[in-house]
Amino acid sequence: GQQLNQSPQSMFIQEGEDVSMNCTSSSIFNTWLWYKQDPGEGPVLLIALYKAGELTSNGRLTAQFGITRKDSFLNISASIPSDVGIYFCAGQLQGGSNYKLTFGKGTLLTVNP
Amino acid sequence: GAVVSQHPSRVICKSGTSVKIECRSLDFQATTMFWYRQFPKKSLMLMATSNEGSKATYEQGVEKDKFLINHASLTLSTLTVTSAHPEDSSFYICSASTIRQDRGSPLHFGNGTRLTVT
Repeated sequence: GQQLNQSPQSMFIQEGEDVSMNCTSSSIFNTWLWYKQDPGEGPVLLIALYKAGELTSNGRLTAQFGITRKDSFLNISASIPSDVGIYFCAGQLQGGSNYKLTFGKGTLLTVNP
Repeated sequence: GAVVSQHPSRVICKSGTSVKIECRSLDFQATTMFWYRQFPKKSLMLMATSNEGSKATYEQGVEKDKFLINHASLTLSTLTVTSAHPEDSSFYICSASTIRQDRGSPLHFGNGTRLTVT
């Protein structure tokens, strides 16, 4: 099946620093999604990307859909303590009735105040 | 925005009993719902895809007779863990989607159910 390689696995940064994480895939996706999960809760959608090359921002977050459709990155600028959590990338295929996601293994972000 | 409600958020049950988890889409009609399982510090593992009015499609290795899924309406899907055992203890999360014609639909997730089997 499809594999997503998400890196880094974890990051420890100081408040105010910028953060970058990325995902690569062995095959093409039509949609890339980035989620954040807090402990004991479900993932919350941060950014959705639908077109190769698309660059989208949501506040301090910026994500890009790679031109090859096999990769995506997420940047967080000027990190704050509430950015702490696990960030997941997910790839989605369209077609028929199958819209299931393939998830990366997550990036655990710790922000030191 | 779209909201998915999952209930209960936590449940503790005895080994051998069955537990039902509900997933509701609150402000949209979800033709497709997905059930995931998540182990501590791990990613989400898709268990099954639930389409309204039809049988669920299970991922390889997931026992359909143990994890019963019903998607009786466009706003409700249920997962029943039958004859639960301690190894079924996990975090179960549902997600729901509206199908759009022009692009993939971002999935919205419930808040998860922490199941503990004693």
